[in-house]
Amino acid sequence: EAQVTQNPRYLITVTGKKLTVTCSQNMNHEYMSWYRQDPGLGLRQIYYSMNVEVTDKGDVPEGYKVSRKEKRNFPLILESPSPNQTSLYFCASSLVPPQGHVLTFGAGSRLTVL
Amino acid sequence: GNSVTQMEGPVTLSEEAFLTINCTYTATGYPSLFWYVQYPGEGLQLLLKATKADDKGSNKGFEATYRKETTSFHLEKGSVQVSDSAVYFCALLNRDDKIIFGKGTRLHILP
Repeated sequence: EAQVTQNPRYLITVTGKKLTVTCSQNMNHEYMSWYRQDPGLGLRQIYYSMNVEVTDKGDVPEGYKVSRKEKRNFPLILESPSPNQTSLYFCASSLVPPQGHVLTFGAGSRLTVL
Repeated sequence: GNSVTQMEGPVTLSEEAFLTINCTYTATGYPSLFWYVQYPGEGLQLLLKATKADDKGSNKGFEATYRKETTSFHLEKGSVQVSDSAVYFCALLNRDDKIIFGKGTRLHILP
């Protein structure tokens, strides 16, 4: 089944404790992206990647890192999480425009930073 | 700049009512337009799309028409069901290949 898999789905952590949210897709998509979803703010893009070893900042990259060493994986790293990073995070992937521009989303990872 | 504005929710309707969720956009050129739906506890999934003016996207009884003259892409359904309860996002793909989402509209359908 074609899908985007995120882990963990739920995480409670404390301020300053490094964490990684993994994202993997099995559709051979070049494009991958991370979003955070907050009430009243909708979806905001954190980072995206057009292909292996190519990453770019989205609208709200502060406090996050990403890497794209393999085509299928795009982990989101919070080096020193803070409470304002409590949010619902989504990974998404697609073929590269113009051949593709429909995003396939993961089920989401709900992060709470105490 | 490019932006998407959609009606604020929540929108509450009774089953079998007619639904309209308004969406307008600001963009240079002719962006592709999308509606995504997010069911409770799930990620977003594509509901329908339109790539040029006057195109009508449709899926699962939902429709939206790309109106260039009013820069709108309103979502409609003639008879909603309880299972349509979800959050709906309007989005555009701009000339820089960036996808921009609206803030989402939560829809509650009462039995």
